[in-house]
Amino acid sequence: GNSVTQMEGPVTLSEEAFLTINCTYTATGYPSLFWYVQYPGEGLQLLLKATKADDKGSNKGFEATYRKETTSFHLEKGSVQVSDSAVYFCALTLSGGGNKLTFGTGTQLKVEL
Amino acid sequence: KAGVTQTPRYLIKTRGQQVTLSCSPISGHRSVSWYQQTPGQGLQFLFEYFSETQRNKGNFPGRFSGRQFSNSRSEMNVSTLELGDSALYLCASSLDSTFSGNTIYFGEGSWLTVV
Repeated sequence: GNSVTQMEGPVTLSEEAFLTINCTYTATGYPSLFWYVQYPGEGLQLLLKATKADDKGSNKGFEATYRKETTSFHLEKGSVQVSDSAVYFCALTLSGGGNKLTFGTGTQLKVEL
Repeated sequence: KAGVTQTPRYLIKTRGQQVTLSCSPISGHRSVSWYQQTPGQGLQFLFEYFSETQRNKGNFPGRFSGRQFSNSRSEMNVSTLELGDSALYLCASSLDSTFSGNTIYFGEGSWLTVV
């Protein structure tokens, strides 16, 4: 079946540190890949997406590259801020599968001063 | 433009009761999907509606149902509530349902507590 695996959290970093959150996927066909962020008590916000191999999604300093050869979509940011503290979800949809998102378990990020 | 709007935001129900949650998608969006979020199971897909037709269904019991109206607004209903139905229910909308790379926008969610 289709699945998304994310690194376990929580991830605790100091402000201005480099962030990597690993995400790998298993899918039949050619998925589109997404990163969503959830702040406490809120819904999900799309952070970035990539729809084909080698695409790089980017937004607000976050980046992720769709690597078909390693079935990965790792999230990176060069310098995190306290305001980036949230839960990050990696997800995929499949061609022909409509808008059904398959999510990873989420990775909590805590950024400290 | 307005985002995805869900009502009510918070509600408390008793076991055995039923509940109806409402979702208004972004204007012009015809695809609406629903997700359940719990600490134990994470984010799980419930169902997707497109042009008033159910296109996809997740692995939930028949107590969970939904519908979509001609104006794309959607409702989901849970009957005979169980304690385990306590969760954040998220609605999402998108322009259409044919391209897997569509941007899918989420609402703030409806927090359901079953006591």
